[in-house]
Amino acid sequence: AQSVTQLGSHVSVSEGALVLLRCNYSSSVPPYLFWYVQYPNQGLQLLLKYTSAATLVKGINGFEAEFKKSETSFHLTKPSAHMSDAAEYFCAVATGTYKYIFGTGTRLKVLA
Amino acid sequence: NAGVMQNPRHLVRRRGQEARLRCSPMKGHSHVYWYRQLPEEGLKFMVYLQKENIIDESGMPKERFSAEFPKEGPSILRIQQVVRGDSAAYFCASSPPPGQGMNTEAFFGQGTRLTVV
Repeated sequence: AQSVTQLGSHVSVSEGALVLLRCNYSSSVPPYLFWYVQYPNQGLQLLLKYTSAATLVKGINGFEAEFKKSETSFHLTKPSAHMSDAAEYFCAVATGTYKYIFGTGTRLKVLA
Repeated sequence: NAGVMQNPRHLVRRRGQEARLRCSPMKGHSHVYWYRQLPEEGLKFMVYLQKENIIDESGMPKERFSAEFPKEGPSILRIQQVVRGDSAAYFCASSPPPGQGMNTEAFFGQGTRLTVV
């Protein structure tokens, strides 16, 4: 069975500081991994996805994530936080099927 | 190219009423998925449909919930005799047919927020 764990339901960073949102997965087969962002009362927008092509994945809005098989991790980073990054972020895993397993989300707050 | 369209965006129902949530997939997408997001939780898979077929409904509650994706028209998620615990955001996603051995990205709609009073 697949699962996703997001460490830290709430993360606060200062504007301009590094953003690090943690995601660990469990999968018995090579996974496909996704990061989505959700703004208040909005749907989910895909930030980036890992599909085994390259371990460092670059996404939209300056975000990137690195797939580390040895650590079963897929942490999301951004070098410099912007106020507009305040949102909820979801990590998801899928294993060659249609069913996404989502983490419980991390709410990012950016302090001025 | 319009994205996944869900309506209504907000729906208020009294306990015991029926709720009908609609989802029009992206053009060219024949696969639809419904997810439910309870307050302060992640999204949970409910059901996967193709045109006129339910492929996987393992995440659907056994009673009161049903889904369809007819040959013509949008996909419908129907909740009968709603209760307060059904209050949640319901998201629809669509994708082209999954490729062999590879998960195809799903595109999500903006959701329908159901409030049961």
